[in-house]
Amino acid sequence: RKEVEQDPGPFNVPEGATVAFNCTYSNSASQSFFWYRQDCRKEPKLLMSVYSSGNEDGRFTAQLNRASQYISLLIRDSKLSDSATYLCVSHGGSQGNLIFGKGTKLSVKP
Amino acid sequence: DTGVSQDPRHKITKRGQNVTFRCDPISEHNRLYWYRQTLGQGPEFLTYFQNEAQLEKSRLLSDRFSAERPKGSFSTLEIQRTEQGDSAMYLCASSYPGRHGNTIYFGEGSWLTVV
Repeated sequence: RKEVEQDPGPFNVPEGATVAFNCTYSNSASQSFFWYRQDCRKEPKLLMSVYSSGNEDGRFTAQLNRASQYISLLIRDSKLSDSATYLCVSHGGSQGNLIFGKGTKLSVKP
Repeated sequence: DTGVSQDPRHKITKRGQNVTFRCDPISEHNRLYWYRQTLGQGPEFLTYFQNEAQLEKSRLLSDRFSAERPKGSFSTLEIQRTEQGDSAMYLCASSYPGRHGNTIYFGEGSWLTVV
């Protein structure tokens, strides 16, 4: 089983739609979680950290469910510029490195 | 530019040749990471340093791969006797772990094509 699993998509949605991505992780010792955004042939960039209490940044909301070991990302009022791959990331336990999922591709259409 | 920088950005090499990539992290960051990414996959961890000490290596890092960070600042990743399967984007990242977590910042990557 992969340490971090995501639905690869693609998710094709119209502008203005609300879209949600889920991600599961297998290492219960993981302590920190993140969502990164990656545009085609570019480096990943931090979108937001994910906290147990949930957090919101404008149109983006991230949630963490430790009991079920999953993380979610909700994007409201999708924009064309939101088209990208969204990477779910876990960190923690005895490891210093971040573990990335394969990413979920989002395509927002006019 | 105060971000993570990588050099070269693109490298085409013949199978069997050696290649070396360089990474300059954000100046105050003490952790430096190397990842590899192929098409359709997320970044895969290779190794990381805290200052000059290499603290962890992935099993993906075969004997042909070696990374160094001799003075705790820039790092190099060398691939010896390259194979076609080594073609990928090699990403360097850096961080400064603290009470706000361990956010890592990536460089733009070094694309390797082995022909």
